[in-house]
Amino acid sequence: QVQLVQSGTEVKKPGASVKVSCKASGYTFTSHGFSWVRQAPGQGLEWMGWISAYNGNTNYAQKVQGRVTMTADSSTSTVYMEVTSLTSDDTAIYFCARDGVIAAAGRFDYWGHGTLVIVSS
Amino acid sequence: EIVLTQSPGTLSLSPGERATLSCRASQSVSSSYLAWYQQKPGLAPRLLIYGSSKRATGIPDRFSGSGSGTDFTLTISRLEPEDFAVYYCQQYDNSRIVFGPGTKVDIK
Repeated sequence: QVQLVQSGTEVKKPGASVKVSCKASGYTFTSHGFSWVRQAPGQGLEWMGWISAYNGNTNYAQKVQGRVTMTADSSTSTVYMEVTSLTSDDTAIYFCARDGVIAAAGRFDYWGHGTLVIVSS
Repeated sequence: EIVLTQSPGTLSLSPGERATLSCRASQSVSSSYLAWYQQKPGLAPRLLIYGSSKRATGIPDRFSGSGSGTDFTLTISRLEPEDFAVYYCQQYDNSRIVFGPGTKVDIK
C-alpha cells in the first residue's frame, strides 16, 4: 500500500533553516510528483510548491519563492523540502502529498502524516 | 491569482441530515482541477472529490461534488458521525494551487 512517511518534529531558532523529508513506498516513486502543504496552528491549508519525482522539475508558491528548495532522491524514494530564513510565521505542520508527475495537478491522493516545525527563540 | 471562498464558515447539523457546502472562485476555473478534502483534528487531509465531481478511491457515495465556472458544491447526502470535520476546496490554475479557507461541519 502507498505510504508517505515524514521526518520528525523540528524546533528551530529564527533565521535558521529546516529540511523535512518524506519517504514514499508502495508504488513506483518516479511515476508521481509531490506537493508540500503547510498548516499553521488553527489555520487552513497553504500550498508551498511541487516537485516531479521523475525529472526534479519544481514549481514554488510565490509567497515562499527564494526560501524553499525541494529535491527528490529516487535512490531512496525520498523527497525533501528545505526552508531557509525561518520566522515565527513558518511555525506549522508541513505535509507532503502525492501529486502529478508532469506538473502540479492538485489531486493529492496520498498524504504524509505531517511534520511539526516550531520556530522559536 | 484566484481566490476561493467557502460558505458557510460553520455548518451545524445532526447525523442523518444533508450537508451542502459551497466553494466560490473569484474567476472562472476549470472543473477538471477542482477538488475537495476532508480533515479531522490531528490528521492529514483526505481527498474526497477531484475533477469537481469524481469520487476518490474508497469514498462513500453519500459524498458528491458538482458545479462549474465559479460555483462548486460538495454535498453529503446523509451525515454519518465520522463526517463531522473540516472541508476544504482546492483549485489548480496557472501553475498555482489554492485552497479555500474551509467549512467546519459540526454536530448540532
